[in-house]
Amino acid sequence: DAGVTQSPTHLIKTRGQQVTLRCSPKSGHDTVSWYQQALGQGPQFIFQYYEEEERQRGNFPDRFSGHQFPNYSSELNVNALLLGDSALYLCASSRPDRVTDTQYFGPGTRLTVL
Amino acid sequence: KQEVTQIPAALSVPEGENLVLNCSFTDSAIYNLQWFRQDPGKGLTSLLLIQSSQREQTSGRLNASLDKSSGRSTLYIAASQPGDSATYLCAVFNDYKLSFGAGTTVTVRA
Repeated sequence: DAGVTQSPTHLIKTRGQQVTLRCSPKSGHDTVSWYQQALGQGPQFIFQYYEEEERQRGNFPDRFSGHQFPNYSSELNVNALLLGDSALYLCASSRPDRVTDTQYFGPGTRLTVL
Repeated sequence: KQEVTQIPAALSVPEGENLVLNCSFTDSAIYNLQWFRQDPGKGLTSLLLIQSSQREQTSGRLNASLDKSSGRSTLYIAASQPGDSATYLCAVFNDYKLSFGAGTTVTVRA
């Protein structure tokens, strides 16, 4: 049973560009959350998708947007990249109607903005 | 806004010593608290989850306690090993999201 998968593993972009990160949830999971982890800090919640809708959003600007597909996979899009967007982006999934259970995290995508 | 603090930020101990990691949070309205392990450049591995109604949870050499009213949790790791070297993150769950501390980086010296 595959766990949470993310692609790509690493990504290098320049300021002003746009980026799309992808996540496939663990089998049987329908809820996907995205987190940003800057170096030396704990992950910060970006948003959560459930039933193809954004259910909850953290304190991130509109440059950060997402999408969830009918197969529950998800994308995170970041427009007009800033140097400060350099971070590890983590995706987490959880089971239907069990949002208070353990969230399973993927290995992350390391984004470097030059 | 939920604030999660972990003390100490870093810890270095000789192999065999017991580890005590502390976590505090400001809003006691949580569904659960989780402890995660993170190896350098990697994702998060869940170690223990304590529901808000529980006082502690154990898994092997790991034991975590929760005092929700005072906003505190402690992770104990018995008889530490070099393989326990990692960053340990505490997170509380409410309002559909996890709020994390900055972590405690542990080094176990052989």
